[in-house]
Amino acid sequence: EPEVTQTPSHQVTQMGQEVILRCVPISNHLYFYWYRQILGQKVEFLVSFYNNEISEKSEIFDDQFSVERPDGSNFTLKIRSTKLEDSAMYFCASRAGTGGDYGYTFGSGTRLTVV
Amino acid sequence: KNEVEQSPQNLTAQEGEFITINCSYSVGISALHWLQQHPGGGIVSLFMLSSGKKKHGRLIATINIQEKHSSLHITASHPRDSAVYICAVRRGVSEKLVFGKGTKLTVNP
Repeated sequence: EPEVTQTPSHQVTQMGQEVILRCVPISNHLYFYWYRQILGQKVEFLVSFYNNEISEKSEIFDDQFSVERPDGSNFTLKIRSTKLEDSAMYFCASRAGTGGDYGYTFGSGTRLTVV
Repeated sequence: KNEVEQSPQNLTAQEGEFITINCSYSVGISALHWLQQHPGGGIVSLFMLSSGKKKHGRLIATINIQEKHSSLHITASHPRDSAVYICAVRRGVSEKLVFGKGTKLTVNP
């Protein structure tokens, strides 16, 4: 079964530092997403990405966040200057297409701890 | 008010019991997803529904579009079914999933 791979599984960073979370989506998928889950809360949408550009983003996804697909396989989420409230589990997901016929495949997540 | 409401929040069952988890939503949707989140945190997609009913093994998911309600059933529950079950909806042409808070299921042997 194809998988979405996320690295690292856990990252600890100092407040104010930049972090890059990495994801390798399923190879024939075209739509890519980042979600986050603050401990004890529900999963929240951050951003969707298609055809090398952001297709939709939430109000959480402000100027300190950016996404990139630098080499056609990796999909990265960068947080420029981390805050304590960025501590969360970050999930990458991908889909082969849009519409009701295509399911999402999620990665196992990166737990980001900002200290 | 949350767009997606799940009940119950917590559910404890004995092995072998029939389990029902409910999801109600307040907006028009293009699809509803049931997902499973294990204690380690990973999320696995179980079902995607836009109408009717789907079955996979001991899991059954139903949706009533008119009533804006979906249920996830687990027959002959087993301790390995213990996890958080999450309902999420997609609206119209939007790409984002809107998640419920999840139902934590514990199945005791």
